[in-house]
Amino acid sequence: GNSVTQMEGPVTLSEEAFLTINCTYTATGYPSLFWYVQYPGEGLQLLLKATKADDKGSNKGFEATYRKETTSFHLEKGSVQVSDSAVYFCALPVGSQGNLIFGKGTKLSVKP
Amino acid sequence: DSGVTQTPKHLITATGQRVTLRCSPRSGDLSVYWYQQSLDQGLQFLIQYYNGEERAKGNILERFSAQQFPDLHSELNLSSLELGDSALYFCASSPRGAGDYGYTFGSGTRLTVV
Repeated sequence: GNSVTQMEGPVTLSEEAFLTINCTYTATGYPSLFWYVQYPGEGLQLLLKATKADDKGSNKGFEATYRKETTSFHLEKGSVQVSDSAVYFCALPVGSQGNLIFGKGTKLSVKP
Repeated sequence: DSGVTQTPKHLITATGQRVTLRCSPRSGDLSVYWYQQSLDQGLQFLIQYYNGEERAKGNILERFSAQQFPDLHSELNLSSLELGDSALYFCASSPRGAGDYGYTFGSGTRLTVV
């Protein structure tokens, strides 16, 4: 069945540093892929998504490209801010009903 | 405000007790999903309802049950509570299946079993 593997954290960066959080998946077919973000004390929010191979999802300066050759959907941001400190989850749907499975999450801390 | 409302936000109860968590989906969404988030297990899918009917089951214990009512709100019932049930419980909703849309999450209910 479908599965997702996400790099473990925590990740600590200085403000304005470049961010990459790795996500790889196994899937039947080409499902949509998602990144969610969870700020402290809050629920998860959809950050970006890509619905087909070679699509690039982007939002709030974050980007991720759906790469079927490497079965990857890595999250990147060119210059992180303190306000980006959060936990990031990669996700994809499983089963006929499309409920999502999530990676274990990567905690990002950005220092001023 | 995501549009998905969960109550209560916090719940403290004793082992062996029963609690009910409530979720109102975003307006227009027919699917409701329940997840459990704990430090050691991460985000675990529990159950999905679509327009009042159960559609998918994940790692939901027999002590747990859920339902979705005609007005589309959902309740998750947890009984014979154990210390290990302490976790964040999230509800999410989507228009139909989440395959292309993703979910909208509520802010969660933090359950502490003492």
